Amino acid sequence: DSGVTQTPKHLITATGQRVTLRCSPRSGDLSVYWYQQSLDQGLQFLIQYYNGEERAKGNILERFSAQQFPDLHSELNLSSLELGDSALYFCASSARGGGTGELFFGEGSRLTVL
Amino acid sequence: ILNVEQSPQSLHVQEGDSTNFTCSFPSSNFYALHWYRWETAKSPEALFVMTLNGDEKKKGRISATLNTKEGYSYLYIKGSQPEDSATYLCAFEGYGQNFVFGPGTRLSVLP
Repeated sequence: DSGVTQTPKHLITATGQRVTLRCSPRSGDLSVYWYQQSLDQGLQFLIQYYNGEERAKGNILERFSAQQFPDLHSELNLSSLELGDSALYFCASSARGGGTGELFFGEGSRLTVL
Repeated sequence: ILNVEQSPQSLHVQEGDSTNFTCSFPSSNFYALHWYRWETAKSPEALFVMTLNGDEKKKGRISATLNTKEGYSYLYIKGSQPEDSATYLCAFEGYGQNFVFGPGTRLSVLP
């Protein structure tokens, strides 16, 4: 158990809909990262937050947004969903904002868009 | 675009075989190289973090080496066991940059 909690574990929805994925980092970790893993692709970095502020942005679509709350949990909002958004979305946390801090991953939220 | 490559893409070995695979990354702006193990239906778990050229890390039967000048790292597994079956990911961390993961090497150890 990494200590990172993600909900929901599975989600099935229709195109055009909006969903919110939730992540609670390990106790004391200030950084939260979001990754997307689509079929036959590696982990694609979406966005990172550190202590409530956006720290880095990767290939995150404009239809997606995220935030980190004062209690350090984070939410990833996916809107106007398309079939291609079906993927496993991982949250990871780290004690540091960068600099060799290893990542602790949650078990992922599997999103299926029909 | 930063490119992190891993080879081979997949590997099947017999129980007891030793094996190794490669992670290639940019040799400039290097800060750290991470290795993760990702078992099916679980989340990736950190194996090693390496920062210095020539670093060698070991955890049980698994070890890793690092060459930052030429931009590669090797992961070795000695005497593979079925429980070693997993996807092994490397991630490059540059100064002021975020982790960039490679596509992974999928290892299957046959009993």
